[in-house]
Amino acid sequence: IAGITQAPTSQILAAGRRMTLRCTQDMRHNAMYWYRQDLGLGLRLIHYSNTAGTTGKGEVPDGYSVSRANTDDFPLTLASAVPSQTSVYFCASGSGSSTDTQYFGPGTRLTVL
Amino acid sequence: GQNIDQPTEMTATEGAIVQINCTYQTSGFNGLFWYQQHAGEAPTFLSYNVLDGLEEKGRFSSFLSRSKGYSYLLLKELQMKDSASYLCAALDSNYQLIWGAGTKLIIKP
Repeated sequence: IAGITQAPTSQILAAGRRMTLRCTQDMRHNAMYWYRQDLGLGLRLIHYSNTAGTTGKGEVPDGYSVSRANTDDFPLTLASAVPSQTSVYFCASGSGSSTDTQYFGPGTRLTVL
Repeated sequence: GQNIDQPTEMTATEGAIVQINCTYQTSGFNGLFWYQQHAGEAPTFLSYNVLDGLEEKGRFSSFLSRSKGYSYLLLKELQMKDSASYLCAALDSNYQLIWGAGTKLIIKP
């Protein structure tokens, strides 16, 4: 692995189903983030984690949950998907300093029908 | 509220210069980032400014005026591969990034 990876690349999901988006980084970064990107809108932060074992809510956390059991992995779970969660989801990581650069994964394109 | 404004789309000619503007209103300010995002790909870091002035990095330069809540990204000697969206993001008082919707730059031969 080099950098940050996400899985799956894309997914079509029925409304009401549970889904977990996976994110793994091998840069030993302390901080990790989940964003959603919708047409005409900026990236919006869903949840973040400043270090393993801690998580926090971003701008649009409702309907999503995260966990950070170790430094490398930061999965995002949709407990019961709804069509408004159709989006492109990006995971990012950074060193954790307040002004550090964020490095993004390739994204997951999720469609909820 | 917090807000980032940048033009939705711009068109420029190969070999020319283009300036992409960004204005921001945030609760506190701890710096401004520019990212490049090619269609269907992830954003990648271009620049970070926290002090007023111009930062030059090869063909790309970024400018910041904190008093005016204004930044721009200057791209020189445009190449076809520069066709992409350019995202402006400001770091607020909680050190969270507030993102603009991005400027789609179209380069014509």
